[in-house]
Amino acid sequence: SQKIEQNSEALNIQEGKTATLTCNYTNYSPAYLQWYRQDPGRGPVFLLLIRENEKEKRKERLKVTFDTTLKQSLFHITASQPADSATYLCALAFSGGYNKLIFGAGTRLAVHP
Amino acid sequence: GAVVSQHPSWVICKSGTSVKIECRSLDFQATTMFWYRQFPKQSLMLMATSNEGSKATYEQGVEKDKFLINHASLTLSTLTVTSAHPEDSSFYICSAQIPGWGEQFFGPGTRLTVL
Repeated sequence: SQKIEQNSEALNIQEGKTATLTCNYTNYSPAYLQWYRQDPGRGPVFLLLIRENEKEKRKERLKVTFDTTLKQSLFHITASQPADSATYLCALAFSGGYNKLIFGAGTRLAVHP
Repeated sequence: GAVVSQHPSWVICKSGTSVKIECRSLDFQATTMFWYRQFPKQSLMLMATSNEGSKATYEQGVEKDKFLINHASLTLSTLTVTSAHPEDSSFYICSAQIPGWGEQFFGPGTRLTVL
């Protein structure tokens, strides 16, 4: 069956450390993968997109890797801050059609001062 | 730029009534909009893909006669939950995609509570 798995338990880290979140998928062949941030009671906010032919993407303190062999993406937040506390969602997208997204359940990140 | 609004932000209705939720792209034209539903601590589940001027494409298991979608213009899509029941209570979120862009821009969501 097709699955997208993210760490189901909350990730608690100390301010200033690097947070690493994992997204694994099975039986999908996405054209690209996206990461979103969602705060409680709000809609997701787009963070980064990485294509199947890209290994790594960076944006300020964020870094995403994409390994299509392992079927895994890692999402890193360096020098984390309490304001980074939120739920982070990975989403798979496929070429053709209307580019719909299939979301993972998300990982809750809590950054403590 | 790329702002999407939803209205209302929350609604409480009685069982059996219909509720309409609006999704607007404020500063861009969206030929494609998407409707999701999210239950507490769960993932966003795609309900349907809405295309301007044509019928929506519903995901498997989503009743098209219950969740009516209209995409009448390039900046507005509406979702009507007909004959709502308590199990329809959820967080409904729309998104819009700029043609040729990969990412989707999400609205703030609508909390529906059916009594």
